[in-house]
Amino acid sequence: KAGVTQTPRYLIKTRGQQVTLSCSPISGHRSVSWYQQTPGQGLQFLFEYFSETQRNKGNFPGRFSGRQFSNSRSEMNVSTLELGDSALYLCASSLNRGYGGTQYFGPGTRLTVL
Amino acid sequence: SQELEQSPQSLIVQEGKNLTINCTSSKTLYGLYWYKQKYGEGLIFLMMLQKGGEEKSHEKITAKLDEKKQQSSLHITASQPSHAGIYLCGAVTISGSARQLTFGSGTQLTVLP
Repeated sequence: KAGVTQTPRYLIKTRGQQVTLSCSPISGHRSVSWYQQTPGQGLQFLFEYFSETQRNKGNFPGRFSGRQFSNSRSEMNVSTLELGDSALYLCASSLNRGYGGTQYFGPGTRLTVL
Repeated sequence: SQELEQSPQSLIVQEGKNLTINCTSSKTLYGLYWYKQKYGEGLIFLMMLQKGGEEKSHEKITAKLDEKKQQSSLHITASQPSHAGIYLCGAVTISGSARQLTFGSGTQLTVLP
């Protein structure tokens, strides 16, 4: 079974631009969560999607948004990029929501904002 | 996260030595994940513990959950250079009415050959 895939793997943007990251979960998994990882703040929860609906949201500004499609693939969008948005963005998929089962992580997208 | 304290922050051991990493939550635990990460890469799932007193092992890695103390430990026996990396614990707790997954700051493990 293929693992969680994320595209692109690397991205360089300038301040003020917007970016869209993509995550394809493991086949059959319906829950997708997004995380931001930085050296200073560590791994922080962004949001969770299940059955095309956002079920939970972390403490991030409205510039961070996402969506999930009927095939469970998810996208994350960051508008008006700031230097502090430079980070490794990870998505994780699981069969169901609620963290009762194993969360499998993708390789991440490294975003650099210049 | 202050809700989840992971210790030590870094660990340097000689190959063949045993080591323990601890993870303590300030909130009631409803589950505890252990992951390993190579720098700049994704997280590799190691184990998930859900019940108090639960203990799981995979190869030379053992994890235990003490629900009463709200803590978990990860023990590596006879460490090898392949064990090097960043170990992260993730705690499932309740925030408001929803479950959330909060990660510790990680333990950087170096194994000297």
